[in-house]
Amino acid sequence: KNEVEQSPQNLTAQEGEFITINCSYSVGISALHWLQQHPGGGIVSLFMLSSGKKKHGRLIATINIQEKHSSLHITASHPRDSAVYICAVRGRSADKLIFGTGTRLQVFP
Amino acid sequence: NAGVMQNPRHLVRRRGQEARLRCSPMKGHSHVYWYRQLPEEGLKFMVYLQKENIIDESGMPKERFSAEFPKEGPSILRIQQVVRGDSAAYFCASSAYGQDYGYTFGSGTRLTVV
Repeated sequence: KNEVEQSPQNLTAQEGEFITINCSYSVGISALHWLQQHPGGGIVSLFMLSSGKKKHGRLIATINIQEKHSSLHITASHPRDSAVYICAVRGRSADKLIFGTGTRLQVFP
Repeated sequence: NAGVMQNPRHLVRRRGQEARLRCSPMKGHSHVYWYRQLPEEGLKFMVYLQKENIIDESGMPKERFSAEFPKEGPSILRIQQVVRGDSAAYFCASSAYGQDYGYTFGSGTRLTVV
């Protein structure tokens, strides 16, 4: 079993829909990251969380440390949100990221 | 303030050749991390370096792969005698102080071995 699991693996939505991507992890962490990767493109860091909730524009990320679970929400989704969203955790003792396999999101107009 | 700069963006090598991938961290960042993304797979940690030191190389293959981050100049990931299985996207990230700070990623180098 992977240390970081994401669901769903693939997600399609109509423009305007509310999107939720989930991430569960099995190790102790010092921080959790949500990343965005466009096809053929680089990786953009969206959020770094160690507790609670963060919001940036239409994106909201939450984390529940006790349940070892995080969610990424996109409100009023748009075709330009189409990308792969990756959850990654940094362990307590090692300064490196462990990645989920990503959620591929396609938003249609 | 340019972000993390990786070059080249695309690199094609024949089997047996050497591949050199470069990463210039963000200004002021002294921590560099290399990650590899194999086709249709997730990202995997390779190596973590600070200036002139390898801190953690637990994700590096034991043979043919090496990394450095000299006092002056970019970090280099070197792959000797490349094989088809080395074809992947290699991403570099940098951070200012390691544990408590976020990471900035480069655009990656896509290595194709023919």
